[in-house]
Amino acid sequence: ETGVTQTPRHLVMGMTNKKSLKCEQHLGHNAMYWYKQSAKKPLELMFVYSLEERVENNSVPSRFSPECPNSSHLFLHLHTLQPEDSALYLCASSQDREQVYEQYFGPGTRLTVT
Amino acid sequence: ILNVEQSPQSLHVQEGDSTNFTCSFPSSNFYALHWYRWETAKSPEALFVMTLNGDEKKKGRISATLNTKEGYSYLYIKGSQPEDSATYLCAIRSGAGSYQLTFGKGTKLSVIP
Repeated sequence: ETGVTQTPRHLVMGMTNKKSLKCEQHLGHNAMYWYKQSAKKPLELMFVYSLEERVENNSVPSRFSPECPNSSHLFLHLHTLQPEDSALYLCASSQDREQVYEQYFGPGTRLTVT
Repeated sequence: ILNVEQSPQSLHVQEGDSTNFTCSFPSSNFYALHWYRWETAKSPEALFVMTLNGDEKKKGRISATLNTKEGYSYLYIKGSQPEDSATYLCAIRSGAGSYQLTFGKGTKLSVIP
């Protein structure tokens, strides 16, 4: 398998549930990202990991908890979400700090919070 | 907060027509500009990365120009085809040491056969 994969592709969860989104990259990159796209809004960066260390400081509610166990895998743990958290969650990867780098995206997980 | 504007928001063109759309950004906060093409239910696909004022890039029927002094980039599609239907995203990176890409809302292109 190549590129960036995400599972599940669709997820419906209640506000009291705990679930996790998974991202895997097969590109040999060492930086990984979580983005959120809500309706009518641009893609927003949530978290960045470089060499498995969290970098950048974006303000994200604590009900979203990222985990990067190695440079190929990234998780987003979800708990006690709100209906307004319903959105498309995209994962991306890049080669860390190349002068001109590209972020390669997965297809996203469509999350609905009921 | 960096503001990236894309226009128009959506666009319908006939097959065979050429078209273009715009990405505007603050010229004082610029390191690199990225164009992505995003088809429904697929991953955003990188088209171009541009860094230098006056830069022009081309991939098949799609090309882009960059003006960093006035803070805009144009994306051109020559002879649009139905398979060009997608949302075209522009993103700005404001510093060499930053991982952050700030995206615009995109231009949704529909090519009518």
